[in-house]
Amino acid sequence: DAGITQSPRHKVTETGTPVTLRCHQTENHRYMYWYRQDPGHGLRLIHYSYGVKDTDKGEVSDGYSVSRSKTEDFLLTLESATSSQTSVYFCAIRGTAMNTEAFFGQGTRLTVV
Amino acid sequence: AQTVTQSQPEMSVQEAETVTLSCTYDTSESDYYLFWYKQPPSRQMILVIRQEAYKQQNATENRFSVNFQKAAKSFSLKISDSQLGDAAMYFCLYNNNDMRFGAGTRLTVKP
Repeated sequence: DAGITQSPRHKVTETGTPVTLRCHQTENHRYMYWYRQDPGHGLRLIHYSYGVKDTDKGEVSDGYSVSRSKTEDFLLTLESATSSQTSVYFCAIRGTAMNTEAFFGQGTRLTVV
Repeated sequence: AQTVTQSQPEMSVQEAETVTLSCTYDTSESDYYLFWYKQPPSRQMILVIRQEAYKQQNATENRFSVNFQKAAKSFSLKISDSQLGDAAMYFCLYNNNDMRFGAGTRLTVKP
């Protein structure tokens, strides 16, 4: 199995609080991604990174920020959580070549109450 | 921005029969890759098959094959001799470094 772990796996938080999800890899892959998965929408790209300190927005980036200060870690932060951000969040990693397989974390179920 | 459309939210197939899942995408890029991923109830994402956009030949992996029509921006997945273990969500993925998924198709396999 590819070395990718997400933490925490489950979290319940209150509206208005900040939340940080962590994605950690041991594969030294260049690309890292954050997605959210909701029924009827598939996996929607939030942000992705193509190197240390190099990030770009995805299709649903509002309300989210990311940071990548070292190759192995990609952090997703909800500055002020809202109920609409209740979702399952997936991290993915991929090597440099576009045809390489992406590997996914087990997902984090976040509930904002 | 690239968009990926899967127009079949749900599909059903009889065991041992063949089913085709549809996917279309919109891009102005010429170099990209397309993938199909499977997600069983465990939520694990499993690569099914991949296609390189510059290759005319359709990819095949055992019972799984694709029909790639670059001009039409269409990338369908055919599953032959369907098995109960094929039941899952199937996602089409477009990759030009920012990986974009379709909304998915839930496949049910009837015994």
